[in-house]
Amino acid sequence: DQQVKQNSPSLSVQEGRISILNCDYTNSMFDYFLWYKKYPAEGPTFLISISSIKDKNEDGRFTVFLNKSAKHLSLHIVPSQPGDSAVYFCAASSRTGGGNKLTFGTGTQLKVEL
Amino acid sequence: DAGITQSPRYKITETGRQVTLMCHQTWSHSYMFWYRQDLGHGLRLIYYSAAADITDKGEVPDGYVVSRSKTENFPLTLESATRSQTSVYFCASRDSWDTEAFFGQGTRLTVV
Repeated sequence: DQQVKQNSPSLSVQEGRISILNCDYTNSMFDYFLWYKKYPAEGPTFLISISSIKDKNEDGRFTVFLNKSAKHLSLHIVPSQPGDSAVYFCAASSRTGGGNKLTFGTGTQLKVEL
Repeated sequence: DAGITQSPRYKITETGRQVTLMCHQTWSHSYMFWYRQDLGHGLRLIYYSAAADITDKGEVPDGYVVSRSKTENFPLTLESATRSQTSVYFCASRDSWDTEAFFGQGTRLTVV
């Protein structure tokens, strides 16, 4: 039972344009959401997060949107840069879920082309 | 150095051998996790721990054992390695449900 889903395994965007990565979840108990970025041979690194009491959070070129009624979140990267090419994972956790564990999606490989 | 470190970075072992992957964090985070990354599956939780001497199973715990005698260490043991356990393993730690988790660099394990 995949509680966090990233239905697009890959995305290709031109440099300077917007990248939009999507994520859906099924567990209504999730109340904190995160995006991680992963380069090959490295551990995932935190990018941006959002609490369920908000619908938007911005940090520089990165914005995360949360639609609780649709159980959907998205990450917008504007403008996209070649260094943004990586695998992006969305993750979710629950205040009441045991051990504060993070549940991850399967990832989206973003390629930003020149 | 502050942070979370895993050792070894790379390991090749034979089927049936016992192998232990080490994880050490310097922040005194209460929560620690072990994930494995496989193509098409993303990051799947193996085991997690809420504090010293408190551990629990994640999504894919079979064939693995963990312990946490000290807050800063969370070793993962494969009791009898199988080829299906060939994967990249990541350890992570976290302070609270509404904070980020920090990941180690990963251990690439190959079982032959």
